[in-house]
Amino acid sequence: QLVLTQSPSASASLGASVKLTCTLSSGHSSYAIAWHQQQPEKGPRYLMKLNSDGSHNKGDGIPDRFSGSSSGAERYLTISSLQSEDEADYYCQTWGTGIWVFGGGTKLTVL
Amino acid sequence: EVQLLESGGGLIQPGGSLRLSCAASGFTFSSYAMSWVRQAPGKGLEWVSEISASGDSAYYADSMKGRFTISRDNSKNTLYLQMNSLRAEDTAIYYCAKVMTTPLVDYWGQGTLVTVSS
Repeated sequence: QLVLTQSPSASASLGASVKLTCTLSSGHSSYAIAWHQQQPEKGPRYLMKLNSDGSHNKGDGIPDRFSGSSSGAERYLTISSLQSEDEADYYCQTWGTGIWVFGGGTKLTVL
Repeated sequence: EVQLLESGGGLIQPGGSLRLSCAASGFTFSSYAMSWVRQAPGKGLEWVSEISASGDSAYYADSMKGRFTISRDNSKNTLYLQMNSLRAEDTAIYYCAKVMTTPLVDYWGQGTLVTVSS
């Protein structure tokens, strides 16, 4: 069964870096994912597509502070030089045959 | 600039029906699959349905099969979601989403709120 697992919460200080993780279920380690950001009281925003080899394609206007990487079944989103507006929920998304899957989301708090 | 503008949400009684619309602009609508994703209050994102660029193929999450129907009118650049037999647990913000060449979202609408309550 295709499942994406995310930690419910993360925190980091203003100006620091943080690495969020999305884990693909067993047997699906080759899958690409997308990362999406949802700021409080707003709709989601596409950040990037992240492939199994770590290559990624960012959405329009996404700052260089956002980057992606991969290792096995793990997909990472790294945000550097954290700013207050980075405080948001972050979701990963992938797909299977006739089905889409979202991770449960990680709530990032900027201290 | 890609724009997706949902409409049609509102308050509906359990068992009722509602049709959502999504007006798309800023890209060649007929060339891309489209999708609906919802978010219940205080919860995460949940995929609802996807339709192919031509409209020939559609997929649904299990809990929506038989009750929801996705469709599109490429001449009007508009995506639809017909929702029947609505339940309280269908209460959510419904987002229209543009799909990349791979089945991943690259643009989101602002959402429309559907509240199912007596």
